[in-house]
Amino acid sequence: GAVVSQHPSRVICKSGTSVKIECRSLDFQATTMFWYRQFPKQSLMLMATSNEGSKATYEQGVEKDKFLINHASLTLSTLTVTSAHPEDSSFYICSAQDRGPNTIYFGEGSWLTVV
Amino acid sequence: AQTVTQSQPEMSVQEAETVTLSCTYDTSESDYYLFWYKQPPSRQMILVIRQEAYKQQNATENRFSVNFQKAAKSFSLKISDSQLGDAAMYFCAYRRDRGGANSKLTFGKGITLSVRP
Repeated sequence: GAVVSQHPSRVICKSGTSVKIECRSLDFQATTMFWYRQFPKQSLMLMATSNEGSKATYEQGVEKDKFLINHASLTLSTLTVTSAHPEDSSFYICSAQDRGPNTIYFGEGSWLTVV
Repeated sequence: AQTVTQSQPEMSVQEAETVTLSCTYDTSESDYYLFWYKQPPSRQMILVIRQEAYKQQNATENRFSVNFQKAAKSFSLKISDSQLGDAAMYFCAYRRDRGGANSKLTFGKGITLSVRP
């Protein structure tokens, strides 16, 4: 089946630095990708929708300048957490839509710890 | 706006028994998809089952089946012959039948299912 790869799976960064998380669709073209944040034992919270070649659409309450999303190609979207703080520590998950079968596939997720 | 409600935060089932997880949703759309996702401790989201709203027949996938009541906006998941590997968090999700940004998933709060040996 279709695979979405997310990298890195775990990252630790210092407070004030920026960190980038990549989401790749390995065997299909994804014109739309989604970024979620998940706190322990809670549901997935949609942060933004990423469309190839255009600006991302952010959900209400999500800081655009804090969470930079780039979707430069049909197989890659990136989430950059800028000037990270400990409260940004969380589990981040991406998903990608395969238009052919109209199916959404999820990446493995990335644990971010800001120290 | 679409909403998905999972009112039970936790459930427990004896191994080999059957359990039903509840989900209700609210939408004004007529065409949409409903999903159940499983999230084990690894945190990988796994699609369990999918239902198209236009289909009257309930979807089934091996031990997993749904009871889709469109008029009542109810979408429950039945797990038969429960196995230890079924222990996970389960999310009910809704998606409009549109492309691009409008194809985003709306998730319920999830339910933690434990399986007793």
